[in-house]
Order: sequence, then C-alpha cells, then structure tokens
Amino acid sequence: GIQVEQSPPDLILQEGANSTLRCNFSDSVNNLQWFHQNPWGQLINLFYIPSGTKQNGRLSATTVATERYSLLYISSSQTTDSGVYFCAPGFQKLVFGTGTRLLVSP
Amino acid sequence: GAGVSQSPSNKVTEKGKDVELRCDPISGHTALYWYRQSLGQGLEFLIYFQGNSAPDKSGLPSDRFSAERTGGSVSTLTIQRTQQEDSAVYLCASGTGAHGYTFGSGTRLTVV
Repeated sequence: GIQVEQSPPDLILQEGANSTLRCNFSDSVNNLQWFHQNPWGQLINLFYIPSGTKQNGRLSATTVATERYSLLYISSSQTTDSGVYFCAPGFQKLVFGTGTRLLVSP
Repeated sequence: GAGVSQSPSNKVTEKGKDVELRCDPISGHTALYWYRQSLGQGLEFLIYFQGNSAPDKSGLPSDRFSAERTGGSVSTLTIQRTQQEDSAVYLCASGTGAHGYTFGSGTRLTVV
C-alpha cells in the first residue's frame, strides 16, 4: 500500500511566524487531502488537492503529483492553528500519515 | 444534514459485549468511510462504501468487525465480542470524491 511520510513530526512556532509542512507519498494517487485535527479531536478538511495549488486565507497547499509530494503553507500563524496536521493521499481511499503536531505560542 | 453525524459520541462497554456505532453521512454523498484512531496515533482505514459497489473491507482488523450501509445512506459499524485493544475513536467520513471527505466528530469507544 501507499507509504506516507510527513515532516517535521513536531513544530513549535511563535504567533505570526510562517511554516511549511511536507508530505511525501510512495505511489501515484488520484486523491489527496490535508486535514487539521484540533485539540478537541475534530478533523477539519483543509484542502482537497490531488494536484496543483490552492489557497484559503492564510493557508495554501501545493501538490506535485509527478514527484509525489505535497506542501502545506501556514502564514502568520495563530494560536488557533495548533493541533495535528494530517496529509492523506490515496487512490479512492485515503491513507493517513502520522501527522505534524503544531504548537503556536502567543 | 449539514454535517456527518455519529452516535453515540461516547460508549463504554464491558469486554466481550457487542457494540454498534452509527454514522449518518451528508445527504447525497455516495462515498462513506470508517476509520479508527487509537490514543495518540494516526488514522487507520477500516472500510469504504462507494455507491452500490461492493464495499472495500480490506482494513477491518478481524472478523469481529463488520459494517453495513443501508439504502446508500446510514452506516452501522458492529464490533462483536469487544476486546480492550478495540478501544479507540471511531470516525466516519462521507464525500463525493470530487471535493474530498468530511469527517464526523467520532465515537469514543472504551472497553473495560
């Protein structure tokens, strides 16, 4: 099955800083999503991005399917961005990485 | 409904008992997934329903686990003879495939 590797595993930021999270995957996919799991456990769909670039406010994501990686950019981070960010590529079903745990301090 | 609804939100059961977890997907969503997340871990795929096709059951960890989806809508995940290692948060997601998947809030199952 698809292998998913996310980096860094942990990240601590000062409020206002920018960051880039990376997701490498081992096989061709036709589906890739980024999720944010907040401290209460709710998984929030950030992007559906099997290829290309999308932006939503302070967040943007880029997937280069031919090179099997995706990047999530967080700009001007806020304390509410804290939580775990999961990349989930797949062909039909999603395979989740182990996540990047982000802590944004005020 | 507006979102994916799961019930119960919490379930404590005795080892050896059977449990049923329910998922009400977003209306019109043809795809429905079950995942589980153990404490501090990532998400483990369990089963996938897509329209009227045969479900992909490749993630079910043992024959104690089964799931059905009635009328292409509501899904029930059943765990028979629960074991302590079944304790986890069970998450349901639905989607159309073109816009990604939306998760419910999950059912936290504790087997004592």
